[in-house]
Amino acid sequence: GAVVSQHPSWVICKSGTSVKIECRSLDFQATTMFWYRQFPKQSLMLMATSNEGSKATYEQGVEKDKFLINHASLTLSTLTVTSAHPEDSSFYICSAGEVGGASTEAFFGQGTRLTVV
Amino acid sequence: AQSVTQLDSQVPVFEEAPVELRCNYSSSVSVYLFWYVQYPNQGLQLLLKYLSGSTLVESINGFEAEFNKSQTSFHLRKPSVHISDTAEYFCAVYSGGSQGNLIFGKGTKLSVKP
Repeated sequence: GAVVSQHPSWVICKSGTSVKIECRSLDFQATTMFWYRQFPKQSLMLMATSNEGSKATYEQGVEKDKFLINHASLTLSTLTVTSAHPEDSSFYICSAGEVGGASTEAFFGQGTRLTVV
Repeated sequence: AQSVTQLDSQVPVFEEAPVELRCNYSSSVSVYLFWYVQYPNQGLQLLLKYLSGSTLVESINGFEAEFNKSQTSFHLRKPSVHISDTAEYFCAVYSGGSQGNLIFGKGTKLSVKP
């Protein structure tokens, strides 16, 4: 299947700083990518849909000014957690590949574990 | 709105025993159904999927799932588990629309003991 690479796999940052997470589709072009957040012992919750060349679409309750998404090319989307706080500590996962589009499955990155101290 | 219910948050089982991880969904339209597996500190990997056709789908590592439309279920089964099957398993549903996002269940942690 297609490969989605996410970087970094883990990061520790100080409270108040910003962290950027990259999501790359290595062998296919993705006009749409998705960012999920996974809390401990809970499921993945969709945060936002990243659209190449246009603004991201955020789910209800997700602060767009805090979680900045940029999808500048067909193979790269970035999520920046601005002014991070300990409650932002979580596992963030991106995916690409539209189930209802050309592909029939979503391909996931390996995830980024963010710890804010 | 679609939703996915995984009835068991944890399933402990001994090696070589059979296992069933339950998944029920709700949707008013036709759906695609998926099982993803997440090993510790890793992302999600597709285990198997149902799109159309045969209601019984299989993975390469011995798992199978059966789509039951009348019961709105997509339970995952394996007749004999291995230690290496220890992971968290997520059921997910996609029911159409221009967005390709999936709706996930809360996951079932499968622990295989020797």
